[in-house]
Amino acid sequence: QITLKESGPTLVKPTQTLTLTCTFSGFSLSSGVAVGWIRQPPGKALEWLALLYWDDDKRYSPSLKSRLTITKDTSKNQVVLTMTNMDPVDTATYYCAHRASSSWYFASWGQGTLVTVSS
Amino acid sequence: QSALTQPASVSGSPGQSITISCSGTSSDVGSYNVVSWYQQHPGKAPKLMIYEVSKRPSGVSNRFSGSKSGNTASLTISGLQAEDEADYYCSSYAGSNTLIFGGGTKLTVL
Repeated sequence: QITLKESGPTLVKPTQTLTLTCTFSGFSLSSGVAVGWIRQPPGKALEWLALLYWDDDKRYSPSLKSRLTITKDTSKNQVVLTMTNMDPVDTATYYCAHRASSSWYFASWGQGTLVTVSS
Repeated sequence: QSALTQPASVSGSPGQSITISCSGTSSDVGSYNVVSWYQQHPGKAPKLMIYEVSKRPSGVSNRFSGSKSGNTASLTISGLQAEDEADYYCSSYAGSNTLIFGGGTKLTVL
């Protein structure tokens, strides 16, 4: 059974850096596997942020690329997303998700974590 | 990259069929058979319902089906049930290793 769980601060101040951790089980970051981050502002649509491949290749949303960094700790089964210069518009539920194949869909998602940006 | 266009809301009565459209461009939906659909109930994480335009993951009811024509993909739900009431999002590969989502559609079962 594949599970993913996001963790990190629930409240950050404007201009601060957000660090979120995705801890997963039921799979390993082996060949063909990737883990992605997606966010959803309250009452709004999903937005893809970043993807980390098993071979450490990284892909980012063009609109947020300058602010995002995605890394992994294979020994801990974790993927970490950092987002710099946080703004109130970044208030959202942040999800990590498992991409099992080479195709672009996410079959398993974490429960999400709500991050509020406010002073 | 702009979000894919979905109707804000659709509705139907139990037992009926509904279709949700997802309009993109020749750079995303029109170029790749990599359209997915997700169902999201309030306060819950999205659930994959359709991938690669028309494939259903194991465990998803065959009442859900997907198709694509040109730059527009569609999700059809037949035999509408109360439990189908949720938000639905489409997504598409957009080239250069990027993914875009639609704006979401709220399905109401009357």
